[in-house]
Amino acid sequence: EVQLVESGGGLVQPGGSLRLSCAASGFSFSDHYMDWVRQAPGKGLEWVGRIRKKSNSYTTEYAASVKGRFTISRDDSKNSLYLQMNSLKTEDTAVYFCSRVSSDYDNDYWGQGTLVTVSS
Amino acid sequence: DIQLTQSPSFLSASVGDRVIITCRASQDISSYSAWYQQKPGEAPKLLIYSASTLQSGVPSRFSGSGSGTEFTLTISSLQPEDFATYYCRQRKSYPITFGQGTRLEIK
Repeated sequence: EVQLVESGGGLVQPGGSLRLSCAASGFSFSDHYMDWVRQAPGKGLEWVGRIRKKSNSYTTEYAASVKGRFTISRDDSKNSLYLQMNSLKTEDTAVYFCSRVSSDYDNDYWGQGTLVTVSS
Repeated sequence: DIQLTQSPSFLSASVGDRVIITCRASQDISSYSAWYQQKPGEAPKLLIYSASTLQSGVPSRFSGSGSGTEFTLTISSLQPEDFATYYCRQRKSYPITFGQGTRLEIK
C-alpha cells in the first residue's frame, strides 16, 4: 500500500525557516517524481514545486510564489522527500501535502498534509 | 501561467442528479488535464487524468471529456459520498495550476 506521511509543520514567525519531511513507503520511491502542493485555510490547491528522479538529475521546478525561498530535495536511500522553507511569509500559512507523480505525470497519491502557520 | 476557470464555483444538487462541471483553460493544454475530488479535512483524490481516463478504483459514474481549452467532469448519478469540492488541474506547462474549485453540496 502506498503511504506518504508528512511531518515538520508548526508555528513559525515571519522571516523564519522550517523543514518539512515526507516519508514514503509501499512503492519504489526512487522511480517517481515528487511534488509539494499546499492549501491555505479555506482556499484552493496551489502547486508548490516538483523534484524529478535521479535519471533526470534531481532537477526541480517551483511556483513563482516560492522560488528562491523554498528548496525541494530528496533522499532516495531513506525514501524521503523534503521541503526547506526560508524567509517565510504570513501568506505561506497552509496545509502542505506531498504527492507522488505517476507515470502519466499526475498526482496519484497524496499524504494527509502538515499544517504550517506563519504568524507573530 | 495557464489559468484554469471552473464553472460553476458552487453547485447544489440532489442524490441521483446528473452533474456537469466545466474547466476552461486560458490557452491550449491539449489533453493534459486532470480532475481531483477533495472532502473536508482530507487529501485530494485523483479521479480523471489525461482528460478522460478514469483512475483505477474510481466509480464509473465519473467521466471526463474535452481537449484544448475546454474540459468537463460529469457525474452521471450523484451518490451521497460525492458531495465534495472538485478541482481541475493542468500539466501542460510549468507552473502546474489548479482551477479555483467547484463545491458540490446537497440540495
